[in-house]
Amino acid sequence: QSALTQPASVSESPGQSITISCTGTSSDVGGYNYVSWYQQHPGKAPNVLIYDVTNRPSGVSNRFSGSKSGNTASLTISGLQTEDEADYYCSSYTSSSTWVFGGGTKLTVL
Amino acid sequence: QVQLQESGPGLVKPSETLSLTCIVSGGSISSSSYQWAWIRQPPGKGLEWIGNFYYSGTRYYNPSLKSRVTISADTSKNQLSLKLTSVSAADTAVYFCTRRKMSTSWRDYWGQGTLVIVSS
Repeated sequence: QSALTQPASVSESPGQSITISCTGTSSDVGGYNYVSWYQQHPGKAPNVLIYDVTNRPSGVSNRFSGSKSGNTASLTISGLQTEDEADYYCSSYTSSSTWVFGGGTKLTVL
Repeated sequence: QVQLQESGPGLVKPSETLSLTCIVSGGSISSSSYQWAWIRQPPGKGLEWIGNFYYSGTRYYNPSLKSRVTISADTSKNQLSLKLTSVSAADTAVYFCTRRKMSTSWRDYWGQGTLVIVSS
């Protein structure tokens, strides 16, 4: 299985919004609503931000939102804050009953 | 509060078998509501799903690792295990165990991870 495709890095200023894409195929992202997004700070375990494309666990800021169109899922972060600077990963269920991650996106808040 | 704690040798020689344990507290590994998985992250690189385990015994593995991986559970000790055979430097990574709520993609709990270095 191939990793989902994410931009390697993105950057934006505090207070602005940014969208990170996650592109797969009809056998994973496009075929199921089982896409999740994770935030990882250096030296820490990942933390879930979004699950099932659009759902946000309690305790996660509503500045984080998810969506999907065809084979591409997206994570949008609004009102960027310096503490949002981290690595972001998407993940999807696949038609082989396995899971696959994206390569990760490093977000820099300038 | 659910906690996952990975443990195992931090150094493994090439061609040997990597064995890790994940002790689960605050929740039962036998619950039908959750699935348990191992995920790894090579230094400076992205996450890679290794495989998962469900209380019924159902297991699925990453096709690229399937021939070398075994995931099992000891319900009496409430712990998950990972064995990876014939390791090489490419298997050097931080290994995480995680819990996922069934019928969702919600991976709600992660261990802190344990670093395994493959080197002679």
